[in-house]
Amino acid sequence: EAGVAQSPRYKIIEKRQSVAFWCNPISGHATLYWYQQILGQGPKLLIQFQNNGVVDDSQLPKDRFSAERLKGVDSTLKIQPAKLEDSAVYLCASSLGGTATYNEQFFGPGTRLTVL
Amino acid sequence: TQLLEQSPQFLSIQEGENLTVYCNSSSVFSSLQWYRQEPGEGPVLLVTVVTGGEVKKLKRLTFQFGDARKDSSLHITAAQPGDTGLYLCAGAGGSARQLTFGSGTQLTVLP
Repeated sequence: EAGVAQSPRYKIIEKRQSVAFWCNPISGHATLYWYQQILGQGPKLLIQFQNNGVVDDSQLPKDRFSAERLKGVDSTLKIQPAKLEDSAVYLCASSLGGTATYNEQFFGPGTRLTVL
Repeated sequence: TQLLEQSPQFLSIQEGENLTVYCNSSSVFSSLQWYRQEPGEGPVLLVTVVTGGEVKKLKRLTFQFGDARKDSSLHITAAQPGDTGLYLCAGAGGSARQLTFGSGTQLTVLP
């Protein structure tokens, strides 16, 4: 079974530039998550999708971050314009979704963003 | 806001030693997960504990969920260099079954 795919793996940009990350979840997984992991910290949830709808985006800095999952499969996360403090690893994860108490989340390898 | 505190933040030990990592919160979680993350990779699930007081063993790793489901510990027996990595605890709660991650424990096992 193929895992969660993310691209690019690395990105270096200057502040005020724009950047986009792509994620393809595991086939059949209804729920998709984007996390931000700053060096030395645990992942922080940015946004959660259930199919093509947003479940929670309360921690997404909406003045500069946006995300979409138009067809309920792959997803893009965009930052425009980037700030120095956006330097982090952006992780995508997916899970089956459904009514179980807990659904295991499977993580992609992440995109390491450096803002200069 | 649910917060999870992990300790210690960094741990460097010799091969063969034992160690314990702690994960504490003032909040109650419906379940708690432990992940290991290696450089350049995403976190990989090690175990999920659901019941207060539950103990699970995975080879040399022993996981315990506190009776009140607010804290957890990970004990590694006879650590090996392959155990090196970032260990993350994550609590699940709420109707959306989201995860709240701790800040992690960076473990280095020296040969």
